[in-house]
Amino acid sequence: AQSVTQPDIHITVSEGASLELRCNYSYGATPYLFWYVQSPGQGLQLLLKYFSGDTLVQGIKGFEAEFKRSQSSFNLRKPSVHWSDAAEYFCAVGRSGGYQKVTFGTGTKLQVIP
Amino acid sequence: DVKVTQSSRYLVKRTGEKVFLECVQDMDHENMFWYRQDPGLGLRLIYFSYDVKMKEKGDIPEGYSVSREKKERFSLILESASTNQTSMYLCASITSGNADTQYFGPGTRLTVL
Repeated sequence: AQSVTQPDIHITVSEGASLELRCNYSYGATPYLFWYVQSPGQGLQLLLKYFSGDTLVQGIKGFEAEFKRSQSSFNLRKPSVHWSDAAEYFCAVGRSGGYQKVTFGTGTKLQVIP
Repeated sequence: DVKVTQSSRYLVKRTGEKVFLECVQDMDHENMFWYRQDPGLGLRLIYFSYDVKMKEKGDIPEGYSVSREKKERFSLILESASTNQTSMYLCASITSGNADTQYFGPGTRLTVL
């Protein structure tokens, strides 16, 4: 079975600063990896996903993530954070066989200060 | 624009009541999911349906059942609500291919008193 860890429960950054949210996974083979964002009172929205190929993945809203097999990581980055990025971010790991086999992390809450 | 809708945003019920949470998707997706979301625990899969009348248990099915009589509608049923079922419930859907995107509804925040 796979697992995923988001070590940071809460992160605060200044508007305009760069952002990196950490995600580590545990899975024996090449995993499927996802980042979702949840704005207050909303459902989850997919930011980006990695299934195979180029390990640097571009997503929506200016986010990117890099799959590093040697570190079992899939960290989310954004070069310049906007106040509207304040939300909760979830990393998830899955494998072939369908989305019912996806495991979600516990989330990182991002606060953006002026 | 794709859409997954849930019947209620907020719901308050009493212990022992039977509770129905409804989810409807307009994308003709085969697969639908019910999750519960709790602080510090992330999302956990309750049930999954891959076709009409077909279902599979997820990680935490105890105390829940589901119904899928039509392709677009997936219902979560709490036969006898308990206080430990107070949570945010999220519905999602996706087509069959792994490369597609899973779409989530806005969630129902259920409080059981």
